Amino acid sequence: KNEVEQSPQNLTAQEGEFITINCSYSVGISALHWLQQHPGGGIVSLFMLSSGKKKHGRLIATINIQEKHSSLHITASHPRDSAVYICAVPLNGGGADGLTFGKGTHLIIQP
Amino acid sequence: EAGVVQSPRYKIIEKKQPVAFWCNPISGHNTLYWYRQNLGQGPELLIRYENEEAVDDSQLPKDRFSAERLKGVDSTLKIQPAELGDSAVYLCASRGVGTEAFFGQGTRLTVV
Repeated sequence: KNEVEQSPQNLTAQEGEFITINCSYSVGISALHWLQQHPGGGIVSLFMLSSGKKKHGRLIATINIQEKHSSLHITASHPRDSAVYICAVPLNGGGADGLTFGKGTHLIIQP
Repeated sequence: EAGVVQSPRYKIIEKKQPVAFWCNPISGHNTLYWYRQNLGQGPELLIRYENEEAVDDSQLPKDRFSAERLKGVDSTLKIQPAELGDSAVYLCASRGVGTEAFFGQGTRLTVV
């Protein structure tokens, strides 16, 4: 069963700062997910990636399959980016298995 | 296109009472998941459906939890009777062939 570690658990930064959140997992995977959760509880999928790098607006996600590590970066951070960011990987590595999730990184961007 | 729809958004019940959550997945998504998220933790899988078949329910506490997905579309998750420790956010997600999983807004359950 895959295990996911995220860091940091909590992060407070000033508006405009470059943010990095890290994720490590234990079992080889088909793809890794970065998710965003707002206080109401709903989860939005930001990225699903299996290699290299993806970019959406100010968000960038990278993955190193050999090292079983991924990072989520936010450039020019803004208070509206404040949320919990969660890394998730397939429970047993791939297929339609359910996901196993990190505990999340609680990000606060101060104006 | 509508996303994954869950209801209710919030539910407060007394312990020992029954409660049910409903999920309508994205049209055409054969795979449906129910997750439970305790405060400060990541979600944990309760059950996975492929169409109407529960293919992984190993984490579902079967003494009080039950789920069904009639006709392989909507799904309900039931707890009877609820305990204080069941207070959590219950998330539904669906996935199509070759697509990523899409999540609903969740149902926040408080058992008092």
